[in-house]
Amino acid sequence: AQSVAQPEDQVNVAEGNPLTVKCTYSVSGNPYLFWYVQYPNRGLQFLLKYITGDNLVKGSYGFEAEFNKSQTSFHLKKPSALVSDSALYFCAVRDGGASGGGADGLTFGKGTHLIIQP
Amino acid sequence: EPEVTQTPSHQVTQMGQEVILRCVPISNHLYFYWYRQILGQKVEFLVSFYNNEISEKSEIFDDQFSVERPDGSNFTLKIRSTKLEDSAMYFCASTGTRANTGELFFGEGSRLTVL
Repeated sequence: AQSVAQPEDQVNVAEGNPLTVKCTYSVSGNPYLFWYVQYPNRGLQFLLKYITGDNLVKGSYGFEAEFNKSQTSFHLKKPSALVSDSALYFCAVRDGGASGGGADGLTFGKGTHLIIQP
Repeated sequence: EPEVTQTPSHQVTQMGQEVILRCVPISNHLYFYWYRQILGQKVEFLVSFYNNEISEKSEIFDDQFSVERPDGSNFTLKIRSTKLEDSAMYFCASTGTRANTGELFFGEGSRLTVL
């Protein structure tokens, strides 16, 4: 079974400061990891993903995330937060299986509210 | 920019009634999904669909649920006899790349309220 933990319900950051939203995961095969963002009354928007290769992946709106296999983590980061980054952020994982097959369905974390204060 | 569209945006129904939620995925996409989000809770996978058949479904997707791609553009979720606990936001999603590695494109959701 696959699972995702986002330990913080809410993260508060001052505008211009760096931000981190934490995520840890558990899968039996290779982890395919994703971050999505949800603005109020909207669907989820893809930010970035890790499938293979470089542990540091860069995505939309200046966000990046670092895959850490030993810590089973995929924390979302941004060097300088904007007020417009305020939203609900979801980490998600698919089990890629031992040789690239694996699950279709994404398992999402419960989400972290990111609040950027002016 | 192409997008996934969903109708209706909000539906209110009585317990026991049938509901059909409709989705138009991005036109060249091949893999289709339904997810749901109960208010204040996490997003949960319901079902994936590829090549005109269900490829995977979760425990939530019981016999009361069905999906169909009736005409090559629409992708529908039917709930045969709604229960109070079916009240949620239902999101349709699609992807054009291989299912496991592709990012999903989500619609804005259909809010279902069961009274």
